[in-house]
Amino acid sequence: NAGVTQTPKFQVLKTGQSMTLQCAQDMNHEYMSWYRQDPGMGLRLIHYSVGAGITDQGEVPNGYNVSRSTTEDFPLRLLSAAPSQTSVYFCASSADRGEKLFFGSGTQLSVL
Amino acid sequence: GIQVEQSPPDLILQEGANSTLRCNFSDSVNNLQWFHQNPWGQLINLFYIPSGTKQNGRLSATTVATERYSLLYISSSQTTDSGVYFCAVVPLAGKSTFGDGTTLTVKP
Repeated sequence: NAGVTQTPKFQVLKTGQSMTLQCAQDMNHEYMSWYRQDPGMGLRLIHYSVGAGITDQGEVPNGYNVSRSTTEDFPLRLLSAAPSQTSVYFCASSADRGEKLFFGSGTQLSVL
Repeated sequence: GIQVEQSPPDLILQEGANSTLRCNFSDSVNNLQWFHQNPWGQLINLFYIPSGTKQNGRLSATTVATERYSLLYISSSQTTDSGVYFCAVVPLAGKSTFGDGTTLTVKP
C-alpha cells in the first residue's frame, strides 16, 4: 500500500494563477482532509470530506475549493493564488472521522 | 472553538535523557492523537489515545479526558527523536484542531 500520496512535492506560482494539489489514498478510507502548515505553527484544517460527494469547510477555507468524486481522490484547488497562501499543504485520511489519521508527505507551495 | 495548548514550546535534551510533553485542551473531545514531524517534514502518527495509557517502545502516552490533558513520555531519548511533536483533538462538536507543537532537539 502506498498510503496517502500527494503531488506535486514543490510548486511555485505567480499571484493570480490557479492550480490543483492532488491527493490520493489506497486504504479505502472514508474521511479525507487538507491542512496547511505555516512556519512555527500547527496544522490548520482547510476542508474535509466524510465520503464521496460530501465535503465541508474547515478552519481556513477561503481561497480553496475541493470536491470528492471518488473514495480515493480528494484534490485541493487554489482558485487565484495569493502570497498569503504560501505554505506547506498536507493531505490526510482516516477510516472514519475521528479515527487514526495518516498523512501524505506534503506539498511546499510558494506564491510570488 | 476548542483551544489546544502544548508545553513546553521548545525542549533541548542530551541523548539518553527522559522527557514529558503536555497537551491541554479546553473542551471535551472524541479523540486525541500525537504526531511526530521529523526534520524532513514527514508526519507520523504515534498514538491514537482518546483516554487511558498506551506504550510503544520508548514512547508512552496518557490521556485524562475528564481533566482535559494528555502527556507524551519519551524515555532514553535518541537523536532520531528530534523534531516537532503535535497533539491533535477532535471535539465533541467541532473539527480537528492541532496544537502549535513542541520542538524537541536531542543532542548527541
